[in-house]
Amino acid sequence: DAGVIQSPRHEVTEMGQEVTLRCKPISGHNSLFWYRQTMMRGLELLIYFNNNVPIDDSGMPEDRFSAKMPNASFSTLKIQPSEPRDSAVYFCASREMTGGNTEAFFGQGTRLTVV
Amino acid sequence: GNSVTQMEGPVTLSEEAFLTINCTYTATGYPSLFWYVQYPGEGLQLLLKATKADDKGSNKGFEATYRKETTSFHLEKGSVQVSDSAVYFCALSAKAAGNKLTFGGGTRVLVKP
Repeated sequence: DAGVIQSPRHEVTEMGQEVTLRCKPISGHNSLFWYRQTMMRGLELLIYFNNNVPIDDSGMPEDRFSAKMPNASFSTLKIQPSEPRDSAVYFCASREMTGGNTEAFFGQGTRLTVV
Repeated sequence: GNSVTQMEGPVTLSEEAFLTINCTYTATGYPSLFWYVQYPGEGLQLLLKATKADDKGSNKGFEATYRKETTSFHLEKGSVQVSDSAVYFCALSAKAAGNKLTFGGGTRVLVKP
């Protein structure tokens, strides 16, 4: 397996524009996580899915952020409208949801810059 | 809710020095504990894990023991190398919390030759 695949790797956009980040989890994994990493706030969990169902979205900063997982092999994180404070590295991770003792595999991340 | 607290960095060491990064946790139920490492420009990758009390995880010379009595999972390495320079994250996952993976704030380690 190629691992967790995120696209794009880098995104530069203007304030107010819509941004869509994409993630393809490892085949067979049934939990998917979206994290945001910044120097100031560290690694923050935004939302996670089990079996394509959102379980906890309490980390989503505000209504401008939304995430979907239409099937087991694809998820998106959308920011609309984007703001400069959304600039960060966004990571997607997936794991097998068996008892909570399995490792999560992370993608390479998407570096988002909003100017 | 579940939480993980780890020592703040940066930690600066000389090559071959002993490294300890403290990690304590608060969790409902019986969590599994993990250490992840992030090298510059990369995503996180699993370093080691322990799934029950008194288990010791080890990998690449790093070790950590699951101490339920002190709710701790400290990371140690006896002799660090320049290549160990990275950010280290302690994390937990508990079935009682929907298998949510909760991370500490990360500790940056810089090893100088």
